[in-house]
Amino acid sequence: DAKTTQPPSMDCAEGRAANLPCNHSTISGNEYVYWYRQIHSQGPQYIIHGLKNNETNEMASLIITEDRKSSTLILPHATLRDTAVYYCIVSPNFGNEKLTFGTGTRLTIIP
Amino acid sequence: EAQVTQNPRYLITVTGKKLTVTCSQNMNHEYMSWYRQDPGLGLRQIYYSMNVEVTDKGDVPEGYKVSRKEKRNFPLILESPSPNQTSLYFCASSFSRGPYEQYFGPGTRLTVT
Repeated sequence: DAKTTQPPSMDCAEGRAANLPCNHSTISGNEYVYWYRQIHSQGPQYIIHGLKNNETNEMASLIITEDRKSSTLILPHATLRDTAVYYCIVSPNFGNEKLTFGTGTRLTIIP
Repeated sequence: EAQVTQNPRYLITVTGKKLTVTCSQNMNHEYMSWYRQDPGLGLRQIYYSMNVEVTDKGDVPEGYKVSRKEKRNFPLILESPSPNQTSLYFCASSFSRGPYEQYFGPGTRLTVT
């Protein structure tokens, strides 16, 4: 599985867009990019995933560069409840055998 | 409501006393998995199951057993718990064979003294 690199921490003002970067320079053609988040010690929560096109859902947008070596998760209007650790994960599309969670980015939303 | 449930949520036990942490999902998912989370180490997969009666080891299976006799249940068994199994445990489930999201349970905090 491709490894990912994320900044250890970020701050964002409440109401602003939070942009969380992720590098995955060794990603292979059949690997998807997933984003999950974990609030305190709750179970991780799925946010979004994509292969090569940009994706948007009710929670966030995912922007994947054309070469697929990096991506950005965008929370358009961050709220205090978005304070969490965000994990960027790459995983093959042929199964769900394992999600390899790194250390993620601790996002703090500031009032 | 679609969910993954785990029981117990908190458990303090002593070394060597067998215990079982239950996991159940109501989404008819084929795939289920157990992770443990420790400070500085992130989430690590213990065991997973692609369907009933099909289980396989993850990254840290030593000291754990699992079974998958029914599609909805995937219990984690610690036959002889040791202090190094003190951790936060998560069960997860999803549909298999595709880029599907995984649903995680609320976690079980286990302390072995």
